[in-house]
Amino acid sequence: RKEVEQDPGPFNVPEGATVAFNCTYSNSASQSFFWYRQDCRKEPKLLMSVYSSGNEDGRFTAQLNRASQYISLLIRDSKLSDSATYLCVVKELSNFGNEKLTFGTGTRLTIIP
Amino acid sequence: EAGVAQSPRYKIIEKKQSVAFWCNPISGHATLYWYQQILGQGPKLLIQFQNNGVVDDSQLPKDRFSAERLKGVDSTLKIQPAKLEDSAVYLCASSSARENTEAFFGQGTRLTVV
Repeated sequence: RKEVEQDPGPFNVPEGATVAFNCTYSNSASQSFFWYRQDCRKEPKLLMSVYSSGNEDGRFTAQLNRASQYISLLIRDSKLSDSATYLCVVKELSNFGNEKLTFGTGTRLTIIP
Repeated sequence: EAGVAQSPRYKIIEKKQSVAFWCNPISGHATLYWYQQILGQGPKLLIQFQNNGVVDDSQLPKDRFSAERLKGVDSTLKIQPAKLEDSAVYLCASSSARENTEAFFGQGTRLTVV
């Protein structure tokens, strides 16, 4: 089983629709979770962190389910500019202060006019 | 705040040649990563440094890839000799090793091996 798994898509969604992505992780000791966005030929950039209680940033909502070991990202009222690849990232922090960041393969989203 | 700097942005080399990439992380970030990203895939960790020590290099093809982070700041990644399958974007990222803090990426070096 991969450490971090995502549906690669592609997801082709009409403008204004709601779209949701899930990501599963294998290590129950994982401590921090993030969604990154990567535009074509650009570097990944943080979209939002994912907190245990769930968090919202405008049209974006992230949720964490530790019991089932998955995180989700919901995009409401999708815009053309949301077209990108969304990467799920899981961070583990050891007792020695070392961290390990593991990326999913990314989910490609295209918003259709 | 200055971001992660990488150079060069693009590099084209012939197979069997050598190439080196440079990364300057965000000031004060102890953790530095080198990732390889092949088109259509997520970033794959090659090596991770904590200050100037290697934390994880389990996925680094050590017969041809090497990396160092002298003085715990800048880092270089070298490939010698290059193979066609090394064509990818090489991303450098840095972070502070604290819970809930993210990693910041440089713009990457796009390597084409012909």
